[in-house]
Amino acid sequence: QVQLQQSGPGLVKPSQTLSLTCAISGDSVSSNAAAWNWIRQSPSRGLEWLGRTYYRSKWFRGYAVSVKSRITINPDTSKNQFSLHLNSMTPDDTAVYYCARSTGDLDSWGQGALVTVSS
Amino acid sequence: QSVLTQPPSASGTPGQRVTISCSGSSSNIESNTVSWYQQLPGTAPKLLIYSDNQRPSGVPDRFSGSKSGTSASLAINGLQSEDEADYYCASWDGSLNGWLFGGGTKLTVL
Repeated sequence: QVQLQQSGPGLVKPSQTLSLTCAISGDSVSSNAAAWNWIRQSPSRGLEWLGRTYYRSKWFRGYAVSVKSRITINPDTSKNQFSLHLNSMTPDDTAVYYCARSTGDLDSWGQGALVTVSS
Repeated sequence: QSVLTQPPSASGTPGQRVTISCSGSSSNIESNTVSWYQQLPGTAPKLLIYSDNQRPSGVPDRFSGSKSGTSASLAINGLQSEDEADYYCASWDGSLNGWLFGGGTKLTVL
């Protein structure tokens, strides 16, 4: 079955850029049947979908309005993984960040990574 | 704020039946499928119900889902102590072009 393994820093300074990676095993980031999502969870915001990337003869990306001006999600076909870049981080972005696959539903999740924004 | 509305808490005694509701709108629940997730402390959400009422392999048949119009429900029959967890509903929203989640329901087994 598919497994998603997240990596990235746990501490980011205000105004800096968060970069997280999600390595995929058991599926392909280029699958025509899946989308690759980033979701975060905090006490104040609950579960919040941030965006996704997927391949349907070409690459597509979609982002939540709340972060659209600050976010980039990119696939890396050579390493079968995808990444999240969220710039201009503030303490309000402190959350547990998850990657997840969707094939109609969010059926597989990474283990989660607590990201704290603090100087 | 979550656009899908769930009760913040629910409770029951072992063996009882508990239901958790999830209310949305025409752009999400009414026109797209609903999924339910179970989250134990310190772990990632786990898919419990997909496509409104389907269980992934390995999920006990004590768990069931239903949907009518802009609302959905999760039912747990024969409540067990290990069911104590947070439960979330989710649905794709065609207007926002993104996933929406409920605020979560904390289930306590008394």
